Amino acid sequence: DAKTTQPTSMDCAEGRAANLPCNHSTISGNEYVYWYRQIHSQGPQYIIHGLKNNETNEMASLIITEDRKSSTLILPHATLRDTAVYYCIVRVAGWLRPDSWGKFQFGAGTQVVVTP
Amino acid sequence: DTEVTQTPKHLVMGMTNKKSLKCEQHMGHRAMYWYKQKAKKPPELMFVYSYEKLSINESVPSRFSPECPNSSLLNLHLHALQPEDSALYLCASSQEGSYSNQPQHFGDGTRLSIL
Repeated sequence: DAKTTQPTSMDCAEGRAANLPCNHSTISGNEYVYWYRQIHSQGPQYIIHGLKNNETNEMASLIITEDRKSSTLILPHATLRDTAVYYCIVRVAGWLRPDSWGKFQFGAGTQVVVTP
Repeated sequence: DTEVTQTPKHLVMGMTNKKSLKCEQHMGHRAMYWYKQKAKKPPELMFVYSYEKLSINESVPSRFSPECPNSSLLNLHLHALQPEDSALYLCASSQEGSYSNQPQHFGDGTRLSIL
C-alpha cells in the first residue's frame, strides 16, 4: 500500500478552518484515502474516506487532487476538542489484495493543537 | 462513545500471569482486528479475523493468542508477557465482502502494564 507523508505538527486557531495536508504520491488507482484522529487516551476515531471524488460529512471535508497524489482534510470550524493526532491512511480495496485485506498502515500522523 | 467495547480498560499483570482482553461489537461487522500501540507511536496491526477465521497474523509472538468465539466477540489471551509488551491494545471492527472499503471502527483500548 502507498505510504503517506504528513506534517509533524500544526497549530490552528479556534473557530477557524483547519486544513490538514497529506501526500500520497505513490497511490494507485484502487487505493482509498482514509482519515482518522486520535484524541489522547482514546482509540482512533474514523473521520472520512474517499477514492477520487471530494467527500463531505458532518465532521469534515476531504479534498483529493485530480492526480490523487495528495489530499486535504478540512475541519470547517476548529474547536478545542479537535486537538488530536490526525492520521492519513491509504489502503487498497480488499477484493483486489486479499493477502493484505484489512491492513491499515498508520503513519506518524500530524499533531494538531487548536488554541483559543 | 464508541460502538466497540473493550474490557478491561486497564490491566496490570506479572510476567508469569495469564490474562485475557475482551472486545465486543454489535454492529453486525464480520471483520475484527487487534492492534498494539506504544506510547507516542501509531497503532500497529497484530491480527485480523474475517468471518470468525484468522486471516492475518503479523508475525506476532505466540505469547499473544487471539480467539474469535463468534461474530461479535474477540479475545486476546496473554501468557508469559515481557515488560516490552506494555502498551495500549486496540480492537477494531469493520464490514466485509463487497463493502471492504468500509472503515474500521476502534474501541478505546486496554492499557496493559507488565511488571
